[in-house]
Amino acid sequence: GQNIDQPTEMTATEGAIVQINCTYQTSGFNGLFWYQQHAGEAPTFLSYNVLDGLEEKGRFSSFLSRSKGYSYLLLKELQMKDSASYLCAVREYKLSFGAGTTVTVRA
Amino acid sequence: GAVVSQHPSRVICKSGTSVKIECRSLDFQATTMFWYRQFPKQSLMLMATSNEGSKATYEQGVEKDKFLINHASLTLSTLTVTSAHPEDSSFYICSARVRDAHDPYNEQFFGPGTRLTVL
Repeated sequence: GQNIDQPTEMTATEGAIVQINCTYQTSGFNGLFWYQQHAGEAPTFLSYNVLDGLEEKGRFSSFLSRSKGYSYLLLKELQMKDSASYLCAVREYKLSFGAGTTVTVRA
Repeated sequence: GAVVSQHPSRVICKSGTSVKIECRSLDFQATTMFWYRQFPKQSLMLMATSNEGSKATYEQGVEKDKFLINHASLTLSTLTVTSAHPEDSSFYICSARVRDAHDPYNEQFFGPGTRLTVL
């Protein structure tokens, strides 16, 4: 099986930066994904890491260390619309999800 | 990006009845479709994986006779919840993987989900 851990909740101020950590233990590894999910909606793809290092995509960046079983999603210049749940997902032959981190952005 | 649709978006049914949920890939052919279930404040749990024209592979603990999956074509999969009970009330989400050898991500695209409430 897989263990994928991420914090339950985080709160930050509009314009600030928030870092969501994810640790995982899997028997195999074929990539790590980050998704954004608003309440009652399906997840939308944010980023994908399969090699160690940082992937930057506008205000969002994702980092991976395979040896440490660790990733983080960095959200910069937070906006109110970024309030959502952020899911870390690891793929072996199938995609397994963490429980998600609910980020609340306050004015 | 690729679009996946689900129908219906919401359904309320009586206990003991069956409910069918459709999942379609609108602008691409999906080699594989996945069905997930999500309870409030919990993560997506994979229920089953289906490939077009073959039987679905169910995750441990998921009753295949209760959750019937049909993957009739490369653009359509259906999930039928048979003899639904209140504990089956959940958010059901399908996902489709693109049939593209050049896709480095082998990405999955998610449908908008179906909220099932069993009374």
